[in-house]
Amino acid sequence: SYVLTQPPSLSVAPGETARIPCGASNIETKSVHWCQQKPGQAPMLVIHYDSGRPSGIPERFSGSSSGNTATLTISRVEAGDEADYYCHVWDSSGDHPVFGGGTRLTVL
Amino acid sequence: QMQLQESGPGLVKPSETLSLICSVSGDSISSYYWNWIRQPPGKGLEWIGYVSHSGHTNYNPSLKSRVAISLDTSKNQFSLSLTSVTAADTAVYYCARYKDGLDYWGQGSPVTVSS
Repeated sequence: SYVLTQPPSLSVAPGETARIPCGASNIETKSVHWCQQKPGQAPMLVIHYDSGRPSGIPERFSGSSSGNTATLTISRVEAGDEADYYCHVWDSSGDHPVFGGGTRLTVL
Repeated sequence: QMQLQESGPGLVKPSETLSLICSVSGDSISSYYWNWIRQPPGKGLEWIGYVSHSGHTNYNPSLKSRVAISLDTSKNQFSLSLTSVTAADTAVYYCARYKDGLDYWGQGSPVTVSS
């Protein structure tokens, strides 16, 4: 099964840039999607197809993918960005979605 | 605007069957992949399985012997059945659509397994 690796936690100061990695073998060959989950809420898609923003997602959220790492970038971080972030891809060999373990973003 | 809504009992006894329904509004269920995902307390997301618009199913191998997911196009709903539950099945259960990633989610249905 395809394994996605994320750091458990990341801390940034308000106004700074957060970069959340999602690592896997040749991840650049897959479409990577990112969900944000705030405490007590359901996950919400914030980036699809590596770098696309669904309707309503601020331009501060962006994504990229190269080699073995995909990255979710949040510019000018705000207190309201504090959440868990999960990357996911479609695993074509198992024919199902696969999640990373999630990264908790703390805004200092 | 598409919406998904889970419904079902919040408390299930050990060894019994957990049953949940996801009602879909704002779009037809006759396209894409319809998933169940769960999140144990304080933990990450675990994919349970999906049913496609054609009725094809695929399940997490770790749950495959206990899971069934089905589609009811007449009601625009899909359902989850998980048999022989234990305390380890205590979680928030989400239904979600997979089209451009997991792009629409229900609000979640907390389920506790306890006698």
